[in-house]
Amino acid sequence: RKEVEQDPGPFNVPEGATVAFNCTYSNSASQSFFWYRQDCRKEPKLLMSVYSSGNEDGRFTAQLNRASQYISLLIRDSKLSDSATYLCVVNNFNKFYFGSGTKLNVKP
Amino acid sequence: DGGITQSPKYLFRKEGQNVTLSCEQNLNHDAMYWYRQDPGQGLRLIYYSQIVNDFQKGDIAEGYSVSREKKESFPLTVTSAQKNPTAFYLCASSVKQGSGANVLTFGAGSRLTVL
Repeated sequence: RKEVEQDPGPFNVPEGATVAFNCTYSNSASQSFFWYRQDCRKEPKLLMSVYSSGNEDGRFTAQLNRASQYISLLIRDSKLSDSATYLCVVNNFNKFYFGSGTKLNVKP
Repeated sequence: DGGITQSPKYLFRKEGQNVTLSCEQNLNHDAMYWYRQDPGQGLRLIYYSQIVNDFQKGDIAEGYSVSREKKESFPLTVTSAQKNPTAFYLCASSVKQGSGANVLTFGAGSRLTVL
């Protein structure tokens, strides 16, 4: 079983839509959680860390459910520039495990 | 500006040749990592180093070697023993945030193609 699993998509949404991604992880001892954004043929960049209490950064909201071992990312009012692949990342004892990414296409 | 520099950005290699990918960071981070990314797949850990002169194998270390002689440098050698080396290679370093979580920062990557 993979450490981190994500729906690969693609999610095709119109501008202004709200879209949500989920990710599940297998190791209940995982310590920290992140969403990264990766543009085509570029390196991943940190979008936001995910905290147990949930956290928001502008149009982006991340949630962590430790009991069910899943992480979510909600994007409100989607922009064309949000088109990218979103990677779910889990940290266990200084090793980071990546999901295969969820591709988002925001259409005009 | 602080960051991670990888070179070369693009590299072509003939089968049977070893190549070394450079990774240099000026972030003063202790931990450094090498990942490989193939199309449609997540990043897979090749090697990582928590401290100078020490490193550990990741999940796919076969056919690769590393060294960590200086804090700022963590070069990766792709040897001829690596059966399918064509991939996008990403170097990263990490630092503990105020929240206690370690956060990864990536270099721009090196794209290796075996001809």
